[in-house]
Amino acid sequence: SQKIEQNSEALNIQEGKTATLTCNYTNYSPAYLQWYRQDPGRGPVFLLLIRENEKEKRKERLKVTFDTTLKQSLFHITASQPADSATYLCALDTFSGGYNKLIFGAGTRLAVHP
Amino acid sequence: SQTIHQWPATLVQPVGSPLSLECTVEGTSNPNLYWYRQAAGRGLQLLFYSVGIGQISSEVPQNLSASRPQDRQFILSSKKLLLSDSGFYLCAWSTGQGANEKLFFGSGTQLSVL
Repeated sequence: SQKIEQNSEALNIQEGKTATLTCNYTNYSPAYLQWYRQDPGRGPVFLLLIRENEKEKRKERLKVTFDTTLKQSLFHITASQPADSATYLCALDTFSGGYNKLIFGAGTRLAVHP
Repeated sequence: SQTIHQWPATLVQPVGSPLSLECTVEGTSNPNLYWYRQAAGRGLQLLFYSVGIGQISSEVPQNLSASRPQDRQFILSSKKLLLSDSGFYLCAWSTGQGANEKLFFGSGTQLSVL
């Protein structure tokens, strides 16, 4: 069955450093991959989408890579700030039967310390 | 602009009681609508999706049902709640116009079945 794995342990980093989060998947060949941010008690918020033919995508301090050979996506936050502290979810995107189905990982909690 | 409303924010219900969670979307027409459940430390699990009024597809057989009585209204129900129904329930919508579209989530309902 399809499986998405994200680091279950929290990632603790110092303010100003680069945070790198990993998303690995198996038994699947997604055409797209998405990253979401989720704050405690809130719904996820879309951050970035990357297609299988794109190696890298950037948005302000965020960068996502997508390696379909390794079946892995890396999510980077440069110059991290305490406000970046949240749980980050990756999701594999499929489109079938007229709807957009996302399979989510459990997420990695990021804590940025001043 | 589009907005999504989901209520209630928290709910405590006894085992065997009924459930009704409501979600409405404003500012868009004929959206795809979704119900997800998130257990603590787990990824989001897709429960139901709908591509139109009265059109409901179930992803996981369970004690829940969904209905879409109006274009922008999505309801999650149960006749008799189980302890295992506890979790964080999220409603989401998408435009349904492509394979790379993002999901917009509501703020969620924390359901505790005691």
